[in-house]
Amino acid sequence: ETGVTQTPRHLVMGMTNKKSLKCEQHLGHNAMYWYKQSAKKPLELMFVYSLEERVENNSVPSRFSPECPNSSHLFLHLHTLQPEDSALYLCASSHSGTGEGYEQYFGPGTRLTVT
Amino acid sequence: GEDVEQSLFLSVREGDSSVINCTYTDSSSTYLYWYKQEPGAGLQLLTYIFSNMDMKQDQRLTVLLNKKDKHLSLRIADTQTGDSAIYFCAESVRKSTDKLIFGTGTRLQVFP
Repeated sequence: ETGVTQTPRHLVMGMTNKKSLKCEQHLGHNAMYWYKQSAKKPLELMFVYSLEERVENNSVPSRFSPECPNSSHLFLHLHTLQPEDSALYLCASSHSGTGEGYEQYFGPGTRLTVT
Repeated sequence: GEDVEQSLFLSVREGDSSVINCTYTDSSSTYLYWYKQEPGAGLQLLTYIFSNMDMKQDQRLTVLLNKKDKHLSLRIADTQTGDSAIYFCAESVRKSTDKLIFGTGTRLQVFP
């Protein structure tokens, strides 16, 4: 238990569906991240939020839409996905800009399958 | 550019030591990390080392850093079957945002 929870743990959706992934952290961190983990590829950073402001968006298609309503919650809204979007989506959190180590703490991930 | 490389597989016998290697490219990295991922789970932070250190020991884990060669290694002493997992090396790149660059991961298989 790392203090970062994600729901749902598994999601199967059709290409025309709309769904959302949720992440919550209980560590008092002020930065949150979405990563995509596909087989045989490095972990891909998708979005970074620091102090609830999006500070990085790594050329992610617009069918992925993040939302960070407060420092403890992060969402990833999904619509009209493609089969190649099937992957494990990981959320992480960390301290930001405090001069401390930048270690990130990860949730268990949501295994997404797009049919 | 920013790149972290690891070998893909390592197989060791139970009780032996495992050494997982990693090379990175960004000489300005301040921290380097080792994460463990078990099947169906997220990444678990194992240990990290500050870039002005050469070595860090934490129970069965020893991290060695050769900053000149940009080489990081993780040694697991007395490897157990429960150590079977994927191990990721990551470097911190502090630019406009706090960012970790991950390697592709090394799958460690421990056999009896």
